[in-house]
Amino acid sequence: EPEVTQTPSHQVTQMGQEVILRCVPISNHLYFYWYRQILGQKVEFLVSFYNNEISEKSEIFDDQFSVERPDGSNFTLKIRSTKLEDSAMYFCASSEARGVRGTDTQYFGPGTRLTVL
Amino acid sequence: GQQLNQSPQSMFIQEGEDVSMNCTSSSIFNTWLWYKQDPGEGPVLLIALYKAGELTSNGRLTAQFGITRKDSFLNISASIPSDVGIYFCALAETSGSRLTFGEGTQLTVNP
Repeated sequence: EPEVTQTPSHQVTQMGQEVILRCVPISNHLYFYWYRQILGQKVEFLVSFYNNEISEKSEIFDDQFSVERPDGSNFTLKIRSTKLEDSAMYFCASSEARGVRGTDTQYFGPGTRLTVL
Repeated sequence: GQQLNQSPQSMFIQEGEDVSMNCTSSSIFNTWLWYKQDPGEGPVLLIALYKAGELTSNGRLTAQFGITRKDSFLNISASIPSDVGIYFCALAETSGSRLTFGEGTQLTVNP
């Protein structure tokens, strides 16, 4: 069964450094998402992406964050200058379509655990 | 923003028991979803609900979309040890749009 993959599984970085989290969505999916989950808390939406542009973002997704689809398979989240409070699990998700029942399910990857020291 | 309340926060049950958890929102939504998250993994969709009053089953799991469109429950019957995990309700204003997750219900099943 197709699945969303994410690399690395764990990333440790120093405060102020840039990190890039990588995701490979399911191949025929067109909508891509990033969510984060601070340890012990709920999953929070960051950004959605379609047709090579951001379609929606949350208040968490400030200027230090950016997303890109550099080629036909990867979807990346860049954090320009990491802060301690960026430590969290970051989940990528993808869906085939939007607004069409049965094809709009968001499938989540296993996550990247980001630790900022 | 909308308030989404999920209860209970945690449950400790014996294998074979039934369990129920629910979510309520302060606003009307068009899509209710139930996800399960195992430790160190991403959320996995269990059941999706698109219509008020809709009752949907997936094996031992049953979920309903409340008539008012402001609440949903998830029932697990005859629990087994592998049911252990965190269960999240999630809302979407329209199907496929950003998901708003509840706080989660941590389920522990004692064999």
